Amino acid sequence: DAGVTQSPTHLIKTRGQQVTLRCSPKSGHDTVSWYQQALGQGPQFIFQYYEEEERQRGNFPDRFSGHQFPNYSSELNVNALLLGDSALYLCASSLRGIGTEAFFGQGTRLTVV
Amino acid sequence: GQQLNQSPQSMFIQEGEDVSMNCTSSSIFNTWLWYKQDPGEGPVLLIALYKAGELTSNGRLTAQFGITRKDSFLNISASIPSDVGIYFCAGRVPPLQGGKLIFGQGTELSVKP
Repeated sequence: DAGVTQSPTHLIKTRGQQVTLRCSPKSGHDTVSWYQQALGQGPQFIFQYYEEEERQRGNFPDRFSGHQFPNYSSELNVNALLLGDSALYLCASSLRGIGTEAFFGQGTRLTVV
Repeated sequence: GQQLNQSPQSMFIQEGEDVSMNCTSSSIFNTWLWYKQDPGEGPVLLIALYKAGELTSNGRLTAQFGITRKDSFLNISASIPSDVGIYFCAGRVPPLQGGKLIFGQGTELSVKP
């Protein structure tokens, strides 16, 4: 049973560019949440997708957007990258409506130069 | 907004010693979770707590959900070198509020053989 998988594992982008990160949830899970983890900090909630819609959003600008596909996989898009967007981006999957816990992928390390 | 205060920030202990860390919040959570994160990896769920007062063990790990629902602690007994890593507490907001996780700042554990 595959867990949560994210791609790519590492990425280097130039300031001002756009990036797309991908996540496949754990088998049987229908909800995907994205988190940003800066160095030395705990993960910060970006947004959550369920039934292909954004259900909840954290305190992140509109440059951060996402999408969920019918197979429950998800993408995180960040436009007009800033140096401060450099972080580990984590995807977590869960089963909505039931007390299943969030399982995390290994993350995508984004470096903006 | 909701915040979690996790302490201590770091710990340096001798192999075989017991460890204790805790999280407090100004908000009530329905669920408390404890994760361990190794460098370059995503958080791995250690223990999940669902009821106020609940005490749960997972091997050498024991965690409790505080009676006030605003705090939790994690104990590790007889530490071993592979316990090294960063431990995060997380509170989950009620599902009707989206079910997102709020993370503490982490406790970095170092174990000296």
